[in-house]
Amino acid sequence: GQQLNQSPQSMFIQEGEDVSMNCTSSSIFNTWLWYKQDPGEGPVLLIALYKAGELTSNGRLTAQFGITRKDSFLNISASIPSDVGIYFCAGQLNSGAGSYQLTFGKGTKLSVIP
Amino acid sequence: NAGVTQTPKFQVLKTGQSMTLQCAQDMNHEYMSWYRQDPGMGLRLIHYSVGAGITDQGEVPNGYNVSRSTTEDFPLRLLSAAPSQTSVYFCASSRGALVMNTEAFFGQGTRLTVV
Repeated sequence: GQQLNQSPQSMFIQEGEDVSMNCTSSSIFNTWLWYKQDPGEGPVLLIALYKAGELTSNGRLTAQFGITRKDSFLNISASIPSDVGIYFCAGQLNSGAGSYQLTFGKGTKLSVIP
Repeated sequence: NAGVTQTPKFQVLKTGQSMTLQCAQDMNHEYMSWYRQDPGMGLRLIHYSVGAGITDQGEVPNGYNVSRSTTEDFPLRLLSAAPSQTSVYFCASSRGALVMNTEAFFGQGTRLTVV
């Protein structure tokens, strides 16, 4: 099946710094999704990308769908303590059988030092 | 609007016991799925369903059964629990397999320990 490589695995940053993380795939995806997971909770959708080259923002978050459809990045500007959590990328592909399965990266654990 | 509801939140089982993890959604979503999350492994798809009466296997289906008798419910059954099934289980739903904007919404998870 498809594999997603998400990097970095973890980050320690100072409050106020910008953050960048990315995902690359050996396969093409039709949709890229970025989720955040807080401890003890399920993943929550941050940004969804549907077109190659698309750049979408959600507050301090910006994500892009790579032109090749095999990669995506997420930027967080001016980080704050509540940005702490694990960020997951997910690729979504129509398998042709009518199903939209998600393939997840292994996550980027973000720690923000006040 | 409850979204995706999973029960129980925590469970401890003995090896060989069976149990059912419940998942219900009130968004009239066609597509539902179960994932397990293990440290350093991200989320891996166990089983999914594209509609009532239709289920299929994901990446790691062994040891788990599912059924989808209604649009709202998608239970996950462990027939004979094994320590390797200790994990956090997430149920997710999305609008449909043939509809754009198919973002998946997740439940809060069930933390299962098999001893």
